[in-house]
Amino acid sequence: AQSVSQHNHHVILSEAASLELGCNYSYGGTVNLFWYVQYPGQHLQLLLKYFSGDPLVKGIKGFEAEFIKSKFSFNLRKPSVQWSDTAEYFCAVNALPDSNYQLIWGAGTKLIIKP
Amino acid sequence: DTEVTQTPKHLVMGMTNKKSLKCEQHMGHRAMYWYKQKAKKPPELMFVYSYEKLSINESVPSRFSPECPNSSLLNLHLHALQPEDSALYLCASSQVSGGAGGELFFGEGSRLTVL
Repeated sequence: AQSVSQHNHHVILSEAASLELGCNYSYGGTVNLFWYVQYPGQHLQLLLKYFSGDPLVKGIKGFEAEFIKSKFSFNLRKPSVQWSDTAEYFCAVNALPDSNYQLIWGAGTKLIIKP
Repeated sequence: DTEVTQTPKHLVMGMTNKKSLKCEQHMGHRAMYWYKQKAKKPPELMFVYSYEKLSINESVPSRFSPECPNSSLLNLHLHALQPEDSALYLCASSQVSGGAGGELFFGEGSRLTVL
C-alpha cells in the first residue's frame, strides 16, 4: 500500500533560521504532491503543489519544495522562517490512479518558531 | 478566510442525541468530502461525493450518515455516537473528485465532543 512518511514530528527553530521538512512516499507510479499547512485555529490550506514539469515548485509565503523522483521525496524548504510560520505541516500524495485519486497523508510535522 | 463554510463550529452531544453538521461551498466544485481529524493527526477520509453521488465510503460506521442535497451542500448526520468519535470534522471540496491533482479546499471544521 502507498504511504507517506514525514521524518520529523516536531521541529523547533529560531526566527531567521532555514527550514527543511522531509517527506518521502512509497509509490513507483505517477504522483501529484502537496504540502498543506494548518495554522493554529485555522483551516487546512494548500501551501504548494507539484503536478509535472519543473521539480522545484514555489508556494505561498516564501515556501518551496523540490521533487526528487529518484529519492521519492518532496521536501519543503524556506530560507528564513518567521514566528508566523508556526503551524502543522502535512505532506500529501495523490498516487494516480491506485489511491482511487484520493490523497494519502503524512503524519504531519509540528513546527514551532521561537521569536 | 476559507470559501468552504461549516456549521456549527462547536458541537457537544450526548450518545443518544441526533445532530447534523453542515457544509457549504460556492466555488462550483463538484466533489465534496468529509474528513475526521484527531488532535496531532492528519485528516482521515470518511466520505467522498462526486457530482452529488456518494463515491467513496471509507468503511465508516453507520452512526455517521452523509447527505449531499445539491452540489453546494454537504451534511453529516450523527446518531448514537461514541465518546471516541470526538474529533474535528472537516469538510473539503475540489473541482472534481481526485481531479485537479487532488487540490482540496477545506473548511475550518466542526469540533465535536461526545459525552
